[in-house]
Amino acid sequence: SAVISQKPSRDICQRGTSLTIQCQVDSQVTMMFWYRQQPGQSLTLIATANQGSEATYESGFVIDKFPISRPNLTFSTLTVSNMSPEDSSIYLCSVDPGTGTYGYTFGSGTRLTVV
Amino acid sequence: AQSVTQLGSHVSVSEGALVLLRCNYSSSVPPYLFWYVQYPNQGLQLLLKYTSAATLVKGINGFEAEFKKSETSFHLTKPSAHMSDAAEYFCAVTYGGATNKLIFGTGTLLAVQP
Repeated sequence: SAVISQKPSRDICQRGTSLTIQCQVDSQVTMMFWYRQQPGQSLTLIATANQGSEATYESGFVIDKFPISRPNLTFSTLTVSNMSPEDSSIYLCSVDPGTGTYGYTFGSGTRLTVV
Repeated sequence: AQSVTQLGSHVSVSEGALVLLRCNYSSSVPPYLFWYVQYPNQGLQLLLKYTSAATLVKGINGFEAEFKKSETSFHLTKPSAHMSDAAEYFCAVTYGGATNKLIFGTGTLLAVQP
């Protein structure tokens, strides 16, 4: 299964600023996904990122707030823009190799605290 | 819409007792179902998955789950709980297709009492 390196592992940010989270995969993957896990809650899908196309956002998430880049088949970034304390969460990337095995792998997550 | 429902946000069992965590899915099309575990301050680890092969799926750490189409269920079980099983457990579903996105249930926090 794919191995994901996600950076940073944690950060404390001032409100109004932006943070970019990086997700590097050790193999080429078709689909990458970004999730948010608010404190004490489950994972909510933010968007699906395919290489060479615009990310597809889930209801309640918009590109201006969570811009995503997918420049190649092994890398993606998620930016949390104009942050407020409500953005304090764990953000995780996930990949599906697209081989039909449904072998979803998750990064270790970015623990974001906005003060 | 794709969804899974986990009954019981908190489950407490005694060490050595049966673990049963419930998950029901909603769909008329065949789903692919997953159970993940999350230990405190750690990422997600796949326990097992159902992808339309055998309906009884065995996973890691002694866990297993049975896909029951008639009940739209995929409950997670372990015959004998261990203290190290204390964690948050998430059921998830995808229906394949163009996006293959994985949708998670609300999670069940398992406590194991000595």
